[in-house]
Amino acid sequence: ETGVTQTPRHLVMGMTNKKSLKCEQHLGHNAMYWYKQSAKKPLELMFVYNFKEQTENNSVPSRFSPECPNSSHLFLHLHTLQPEDSALYLCASSQERATSMLRELFFGEGSRLTVL
Amino acid sequence: SQKIEQNSEALNIQEGKTATLTCNYTNYSPAYLQWYRQDPGRGPVFLLLIRENEKEKRKERLKVTFDTTLKQSLFHITASQPADSATYLCALTYSSASKIIFGSGTRLSIRP
Repeated sequence: ETGVTQTPRHLVMGMTNKKSLKCEQHLGHNAMYWYKQSAKKPLELMFVYNFKEQTENNSVPSRFSPECPNSSHLFLHLHTLQPEDSALYLCASSQERATSMLRELFFGEGSRLTVL
Repeated sequence: SQKIEQNSEALNIQEGKTATLTCNYTNYSPAYLQWYRQDPGRGPVFLLLIRENEKEKRKERLKVTFDTTLKQSLFHITASQPADSATYLCALTYSSASKIIFGSGTRLSIRP
């Protein structure tokens, strides 16, 4: 497989459920991201991991819990979500360089989450 | 805080014409600016990047301009085709922060 792969593509869950979203990148990148995309709103950065270390937590509620076991895998654990958390969750990766901030993001296809 | 505005939520133009999308930002200029394309139900795909010291960048039928005086970037698609129909996202990165900030996008429709 190539690029950034997200599973599942669609997820429906109740507010009391616990589920996880998975992301895997095959690009050899050293940074991974979770973004949330709601209708007619800009992409919202949630978490950033560089070399498996979390470097950004954009004031995300604790019902979202990220996990990055290695540079190729990223998870988003979901627990007691609210209906307003329904959105497209996008994973992305990039190659961070010490000498430059230039980087482009490579996105997965997203996981469409519906919270009932 | 920095804000990004993309000119309109939707743009509808005739095939063969040039589509021009606008990205405006507030406060200080970003170190660089990117444009992405997003199709329905898919993740965004990187198209072009332009640095703050560059005026223009081209790639095939695509052209991006960057005017730090106007605090604006223009994204042009020449000889537009129905296959160019998608949502186009503007994204900025500032030297003071490493994160990339996205606009809400412009949905472009090219009619045959």
